[in-house]
Order: sequence, then C-alpha cells, then structure tokens
Amino acid sequence: GESVGLHLPTLSVQEGDNSIINCAYSNSASDYFIWYKQESGKGPQFIIDIRSNMDKRQGQRVTVLLNKTVKHLSLQIAATQPGDSAVYFCAGVRGADGLTFGKGTHLIIQP
Amino acid sequence: DGGITQSPKYLFRKEGQNVTLSCEQNLNHDAMYWYRQDPGQGLRLIYYSQIVNDFQKGDIAEGYSVSREKKESFPLTVTSAQKNPTAFYLCASMKGYTGELFFGEGSRLTVL
Repeated sequence: GESVGLHLPTLSVQEGDNSIINCAYSNSASDYFIWYKQESGKGPQFIIDIRSNMDKRQGQRVTVLLNKTVKHLSLQIAATQPGDSAVYFCAGVRGADGLTFGKGTHLIIQP
Repeated sequence: DGGITQSPKYLFRKEGQNVTLSCEQNLNHDAMYWYRQDPGQGLRLIYYSQIVNDFQKGDIAEGYSVSREKKESFPLTVTSAQKNPTAFYLCASMKGYTGELFFGEGSRLTVL
C-alpha cells in the first residue's frame, strides 16, 4: 500500500533563508501529491500540489519538486518568514478514498 | 463563507462513555473524511463517505462509527470500544475527485 513519509521531524531555519522539506513515498501508483501546512491547533491547509507527469511546480514563494526515479518529493520555501512556522505534511492521493499522509516536519523559524 | 465546521473544539470524556463529534460542510462536496492525529504523527484515516447513505472503513476504524444521512453532515462517534481515544480529530471534504481535501479546525478529545 501507499506509504508516505518525511525525513526529518524538525527543521530549524533562520528567518529569510530558504527551507527545504523532504518526503519519500513507496507507492509508484500515486499520480498526485499534495503538500499541506498545519499551524498549531488548526486543521491542515493546502499549499501546493503536483502530478506525476510533472517534475516541478511553483507557487508563491513555494516550489515542489518530484523525482519519480527515487520516489522523492520536496517542498522549497523561499525567504522563510515567521508565519511559515508550522508542521508540513506531504500526502499521496488515493483517489476518492482520500490521502495517505506522512508524519510531518515541524518547521521552526529562528529570528 | 463556505467551509467545514467541527464541534466541539475541545471535549472531555470519562472512560466507558461514547462521544459524538460533529462535522458539517456547506461546500457541496460529495466526499467526507475523518482523520485522527496523534502527537508527532501524521493523519490516519478512520472512515470516509463518498456519497450519502454510504461510508467505508479507513485504516483505523475499530472503535469508531459514522453515519451519512445528509450530504452536509458526517458525524463521528467514538465508542467505549476505542482503547486509546485521546487524540485530535480532523474532518475533511473533497472537491470532486481532485484529491484536495478541505479540513475543519479539528476537535480535541481527552479521555479522563
């Protein structure tokens, strides 16, 4: 079955630096991946998605990279701000059955 | 504004009691989901429903029950059979079959 996981439970970066959060998956059948951001005590919010026929997708200050060869995706956040502090989850789509989530990486922004 | 509303936000329960968590959405989404989140863990799927009057077990359905009598509502009952019910519960709905989930703000259940 699908297994999605993140490499590091905590990532600490200086404000203004770029952040890179990594995620590995095991099920090659997933054709769609999503990154979510969860602030403390709240539900996850959609950040950006990528389909398996793409290698890269850019949003506002965020970029997702997909490497299907090694089953790895990453979320890059440019010029990290205090408001970026949260837990970030990658998720593989199971179609209408929902998503399989990784354990999350807690991004800590240092002033 | 459209969205998903979960209630209550915080709930305390004694061991042996059943408790029902409410989830309402006005997004006109067909599919709804319940996830459980434990500290330092990802989200695990409890139950989901793709259409009214139908629902499917997720990965950790034991000790939980749901109903889907209306499109807008998908309540979750945490029964006394759930051995470790203390957790953060998240309800979500999906826009079509896009895979994108819209989450509520969550309900934190604590068993005393």
